[in-house]
Amino acid sequence: EVHLVESGGDLVQPGGSLRLSCAVSGFTFTNYWMGWVRQAPGKGLEWVAQIGKDGGEKYYVDSVKGRFTISRDNAKNSLYLQMNSLRVEDTAVYYCARDRARYSDYWGQGTPVTVSS
Amino acid sequence: DIQMTQSPSTLSASVGDRVTITCRASQSISSWLAWYQQRPGKAPKLLIYKASNLESGVPSRFSGSGSGTEFTLTISSLQPDDFATYYCQQYNTYWTFGQGTTVEIK
Repeated sequence: EVHLVESGGDLVQPGGSLRLSCAVSGFTFTNYWMGWVRQAPGKGLEWVAQIGKDGGEKYYVDSVKGRFTISRDNAKNSLYLQMNSLRVEDTAVYYCARDRARYSDYWGQGTPVTVSS
Repeated sequence: DIQMTQSPSTLSASVGDRVTITCRASQSISSWLAWYQQRPGKAPKLLIYKASNLESGVPSRFSGSGSGTEFTLTISSLQPDDFATYYCQQYNTYWTFGQGTTVEIK
Protein backbone atom coordinates (compact mmCIF):
# COMPACT_ATOMS: atom_id res chain seq x y z
CA GLU A 1 0.00 0.00 0.00
CA VAL A 2 1.25 3.44 -0.95
CA HIS A 3 2.06 5.75 1.96
CA LEU A 4 3.42 9.29 2.04
CA VAL A 5 4.08 10.84 5.44
CA GLU A 6 5.10 14.47 5.78
CA SER A 7 6.84 15.95 8.79
CA GLY A 8 8.73 19.06 9.81
CA GLY A 9 5.94 21.62 9.86
CA ASP A 10 6.15 24.18 12.66
CA LEU A 11 5.58 27.76 13.77
CA VAL A 12 8.38 29.98 12.47
CA GLN A 13 9.01 33.71 12.40
CA PRO A 14 9.06 35.68 9.14
CA GLY A 15 12.48 35.39 7.55
CA GLY A 16 13.09 32.03 9.18
CA SER A 17 13.78 28.62 7.66
CA LEU A 18 12.19 25.21 7.81
CA ARG A 19 12.86 21.82 6.22
CA LEU A 20 9.94 19.57 5.40
CA SER A 21 10.35 15.85 4.85
CA CYS A 22 8.16 13.26 3.16
CA ALA A 23 8.84 9.58 3.81
CA VAL A 24 7.35 7.24 1.25
CA SER A 25 6.69 3.52 1.19
CA GLY A 26 4.74 0.96 -0.80
CA PHE A 27 6.17 1.83 -4.22
CA THR A 28 9.48 2.12 -6.05
CA PHE A 29 10.43 5.72 -5.25
CA THR A 30 12.97 6.01 -8.06
CA ASN A 31 10.27 5.39 -10.69
CA TYR A 32 8.36 8.55 -9.91
CA TRP A 33 8.57 12.28 -10.09
CA MET A 34 7.40 13.89 -6.84
CA GLY A 35 5.90 17.23 -5.92
CA TRP A 36 4.88 19.57 -3.12
CA VAL A 37 1.48 21.28 -3.04
CA ARG A 38 0.29 23.69 -0.38
CA GLN A 39 -3.07 24.90 0.87
CA ALA A 40 -3.40 28.14 2.82
CA PRO A 41 -6.07 28.18 5.55
CA GLY A 42 -9.52 28.18 3.95
CA LYS A 43 -8.04 28.44 0.45
CA GLY A 44 -7.47 26.23 -2.56
CA LEU A 45 -4.54 24.11 -3.67
CA GLU A 46 -1.33 25.64 -5.00
CA TRP A 47 1.49 23.73 -6.67
CA VAL A 48 4.87 24.58 -5.11
CA ALA A 49 7.56 22.42 -6.70
CA GLN A 50 8.32 19.23 -8.60
CA ILE A 51 11.42 17.07 -8.91
CA GLY A 52 12.45 14.44 -11.42
CA LYS A 53 13.19 10.82 -10.69
CA ASP A 54 16.93 11.31 -10.16
CA GLY A 55 16.67 14.82 -8.78
CA GLY A 56 18.17 16.36 -11.90
CA GLU A 57 15.09 18.32 -12.95
CA LYS A 58 13.42 20.75 -10.55
CA TYR A 59 10.61 23.20 -11.14
CA TYR A 60 9.07 25.83 -8.87
CA VAL A 61 6.12 28.22 -8.76
CA ASP A 62 7.36 31.77 -9.24
CA SER A 63 6.45 32.87 -5.70
CA VAL A 64 8.99 30.48 -4.10
CA LYS A 65 11.84 30.58 -6.64
CA GLY A 66 15.12 31.46 -4.95
CA ARG A 67 13.70 30.74 -1.48
CA PHE A 68 12.60 27.09 -1.58
CA THR A 69 14.60 24.05 -2.69
CA ILE A 70 13.13 20.66 -3.47
CA SER A 71 15.37 17.62 -3.16
CA ARG A 72 15.18 13.86 -2.71
CA ASP A 73 17.25 11.04 -1.27
CA ASN A 74 16.40 7.92 -3.26
CA ALA A 75 18.40 5.72 -0.90
CA LYS A 76 16.17 6.86 1.97
CA ASN A 77 12.90 6.97 -0.01
CA SER A 78 12.48 10.55 1.09
CA LEU A 79 11.48 13.89 -0.42
CA TYR A 80 12.42 17.25 1.08
CA LEU A 81 11.48 20.91 0.85
CA GLN A 82 13.97 23.41 2.26
CA MET A 83 12.14 26.68 2.86
CA ASN A 84 14.19 29.84 3.52
CA SER A 85 13.22 33.50 3.89
CA LEU A 86 9.74 32.45 4.92
CA ARG A 87 6.90 34.94 4.58
CA VAL A 88 3.51 35.20 6.27
CA GLU A 89 1.91 34.23 2.95
CA ASP A 90 3.77 30.87 3.02
CA THR A 91 1.49 29.79 5.88
CA ALA A 92 -0.26 26.62 4.68
CA VAL A 93 -0.59 22.90 4.98
CA TYR A 94 2.11 21.38 2.78
CA TYR A 95 1.35 18.10 1.02
CA CYS A 96 3.79 15.85 -0.78
CA ALA A 97 2.32 14.11 -3.80
CA ARG A 98 3.37 11.32 -6.12
CA ASP A 99 3.45 12.24 -9.79
CA ARG A 100 2.19 9.19 -11.68
CA ALA A 101 2.08 10.42 -15.27
CA ARG A 102 2.34 14.18 -14.80
CA TYR A 103 -0.71 14.24 -12.49
CA SER A 104 -0.72 13.49 -8.76
CA ASP A 105 -2.26 10.18 -7.74
CA TYR A 106 -1.29 9.82 -4.06
CA TRP A 107 -0.96 12.50 -1.41
CA GLY A 108 0.30 12.56 2.15
CA GLN A 109 -1.82 13.83 5.03
CA GLY A 110 0.00 17.18 5.06
CA THR A 111 2.15 19.07 7.55
CA PRO A 112 1.19 22.56 8.76
CA VAL A 113 3.55 25.51 8.44
CA THR A 114 2.72 28.76 10.22
CA VAL A 115 4.79 31.86 9.58
CA SER A 116 4.03 34.48 12.20
CA SER A 117 5.77 36.80 14.61
CA ASP B 1 0.99 30.72 -16.86
CA ILE B 2 -2.13 28.64 -17.37
CA GLN B 3 -5.08 29.76 -15.24
CA MET B 4 -7.92 27.41 -14.31
CA THR B 5 -11.38 28.74 -13.51
CA GLN B 6 -14.06 26.57 -11.94
CA SER B 7 -17.77 27.26 -11.75
CA PRO B 8 -19.76 27.43 -9.66
CA SER B 9 -17.77 28.16 -6.50
CA THR B 10 -20.50 26.63 -4.36
CA LEU B 11 -23.27 24.26 -5.35
CA SER B 12 -26.23 23.27 -3.19
CA ALA B 13 -27.73 19.90 -4.03
CA SER B 14 -29.68 16.99 -2.60
CA VAL B 15 -28.91 13.29 -2.43
CA GLY B 16 -29.81 11.76 -5.78
CA ASP B 17 -29.26 14.95 -7.79
CA ARG B 18 -27.18 15.06 -10.96
CA VAL B 19 -24.36 17.56 -10.44
CA THR B 20 -22.08 19.17 -13.01
CA ILE B 21 -18.96 21.25 -12.31
CA THR B 22 -17.18 23.18 -15.06
CA CYS B 23 -13.49 23.97 -15.37
CA ARG B 24 -12.06 26.32 -17.99
CA ALA B 25 -8.39 26.72 -18.92
CA SER B 26 -6.90 30.01 -20.06
CA GLN B 27 -5.29 28.20 -23.02
CA SER B 28 -5.60 24.78 -24.58
CA ILE B 29 -4.37 21.95 -22.37
CA SER B 30 -5.48 19.12 -24.67
CA SER B 31 -6.78 16.44 -22.26
CA TRP B 32 -4.18 17.02 -19.54
CA LEU B 33 -6.70 17.52 -16.79
CA ALA B 34 -7.42 15.78 -13.49
CA TRP B 35 -10.21 16.10 -10.93
CA TYR B 36 -9.82 15.70 -7.16
CA GLN B 37 -12.18 15.43 -4.22
CA GLN B 38 -11.18 16.89 -0.87
CA ARG B 39 -13.04 16.43 2.38
CA PRO B 40 -12.39 18.85 5.29
CA GLY B 41 -9.07 18.19 6.99
CA LYS B 42 -8.12 15.49 4.49
CA ALA B 43 -5.77 15.20 1.53
CA PRO B 44 -7.15 15.46 -1.99
CA LYS B 45 -8.20 12.21 -3.63
CA LEU B 46 -7.78 11.58 -7.36
CA LEU B 47 -11.07 10.93 -9.18
CA ILE B 48 -10.41 11.46 -12.89
CA TYR B 49 -7.26 11.79 -14.99
CA LYS B 50 -6.66 12.69 -18.62
CA ALA B 51 -10.03 14.47 -18.62
CA SER B 52 -12.22 11.38 -18.72
CA ASN B 53 -10.41 8.40 -17.23
CA LEU B 54 -11.87 7.11 -13.97
CA GLU B 55 -9.26 6.32 -11.32
CA SER B 56 -9.34 2.75 -10.04
CA GLY B 57 -11.70 2.34 -7.09
CA VAL B 58 -13.68 5.51 -7.79
CA PRO B 59 -17.44 4.95 -8.13
CA SER B 60 -18.81 5.00 -11.65
CA ARG B 61 -21.25 7.80 -10.80
CA PHE B 62 -18.28 10.13 -11.33
CA SER B 63 -17.42 10.99 -14.92
CA GLY B 64 -15.34 13.60 -16.72
CA SER B 65 -15.43 15.06 -20.20
CA GLY B 66 -13.94 17.80 -22.33
CA SER B 67 -10.76 18.77 -24.10
CA GLY B 68 -8.93 21.90 -25.09
CA THR B 69 -10.13 24.60 -22.70
CA GLU B 70 -13.47 23.39 -21.34
CA PHE B 71 -14.04 20.43 -19.05
CA THR B 72 -16.78 19.04 -16.84
CA LEU B 73 -17.04 16.74 -13.86
CA THR B 74 -20.43 15.07 -13.47
CA ILE B 75 -21.80 13.14 -10.51
CA SER B 76 -24.77 11.22 -11.86
CA SER B 77 -26.56 10.64 -8.55
CA LEU B 78 -25.16 12.51 -5.56
CA GLN B 79 -24.48 10.35 -2.49
CA PRO B 80 -23.91 11.49 1.13
CA ASP B 81 -20.18 10.80 0.80
CA ASP B 82 -19.94 13.20 -2.15
CA PHE B 83 -20.50 16.41 -0.18
CA ALA B 84 -16.98 17.81 -0.43
CA THR B 85 -14.84 20.27 -2.39
CA TYR B 86 -13.76 19.41 -5.91
CA TYR B 87 -10.69 20.74 -7.72
CA CYS B 88 -9.59 20.52 -11.33
CA GLN B 89 -5.84 20.43 -12.10
CA GLN B 90 -4.11 21.05 -15.40
CA TYR B 91 -0.85 19.23 -15.97
CA ASN B 92 -0.05 20.41 -19.48
CA THR B 93 2.55 22.81 -18.05
CA TYR B 94 3.56 22.19 -14.43
CA TRP B 95 0.43 22.05 -12.22
CA THR B 96 -2.31 24.60 -11.75
CA PHE B 97 -5.48 24.03 -9.78
CA GLY B 98 -8.88 25.59 -10.08
CA GLN B 99 -10.15 27.51 -7.07
CA GLY B 100 -12.46 24.69 -6.03
CA THR B 101 -16.19 23.95 -6.02
CA THR B 102 -17.86 23.10 -2.74
CA VAL B 103 -20.84 20.78 -3.01
CA GLU B 104 -23.05 21.35 0.01
CA ILE B 105 -26.30 19.85 1.24
CA LYS B 106 -29.37 21.71 0.05
